[in-house]
Amino acid sequence: ELKVEQNPLFLSMQEGKNYTIYCNYSTTSDRLYWYRQDPGKSLESLFVLLSNGAVKQEGRLMASLDTKARLSTLHITAAVHDLSATYFCAVDGGATNKLIFGTGTLLAVQP
Amino acid sequence: GAGVSQSPSNKVTEKGKDVELRCDPISGHTALYWYRQSLGQGLEFLIYFQGNSAPDKSGLPSDRFSAERTGGSVSTLTIQRTQQEDSAVYLCASSSRDGSYEQYFGPGTRLTVT
Repeated sequence: ELKVEQNPLFLSMQEGKNYTIYCNYSTTSDRLYWYRQDPGKSLESLFVLLSNGAVKQEGRLMASLDTKARLSTLHITAAVHDLSATYFCAVDGGATNKLIFGTGTLLAVQP
Repeated sequence: GAGVSQSPSNKVTEKGKDVELRCDPISGHTALYWYRQSLGQGLEFLIYFQGNSAPDKSGLPSDRFSAERTGGSVSTLTIQRTQQEDSAVYLCASSSRDGSYEQYFGPGTRLTVT
């Protein structure tokens, strides 16, 4: 059974600092997704990572995928308050492409 | 174009009543998924539809839950004899299943069972 672990669960950062969120998964998968969720809102797609070594960047966020280590990272550079949200990684669960989600990381960027 | 839409946005029901939740996927998307988000269980897969194929119902938590997809488009998730533990946000997503298989999520239906 595919399991996805995400850490940390909660991250309080100061503006301007850098940090990394980690996403580990238990069985082979070639597709990994990162989503953002604001309070009371739905999931917004951030990154789609489709192969080993994939790296995607958008603004202050950069995501990478290492399928051999079964690890994805979401790196935050010089955080700003607008990045405060919950971030989820999700792994493609197989034939139906159902998503198996991590627990989420609640990011709070303090001014 | 229009995204995934869901209705109602909020639903409060009494324990034991039946509820129906609706999802309109993005036009042309052949795959449709239902997920549930709750404090205790996080985000969990419920059911998957793809074209005319048999649905993958492996995530449905009990036989009180059922779903159908008519004409390959709109889907309805039905919960019979609702229980308090059914309280959650029910999210629908659709995908074109080409290339990235990226799923686009609707705004969700917040279900509260009193």
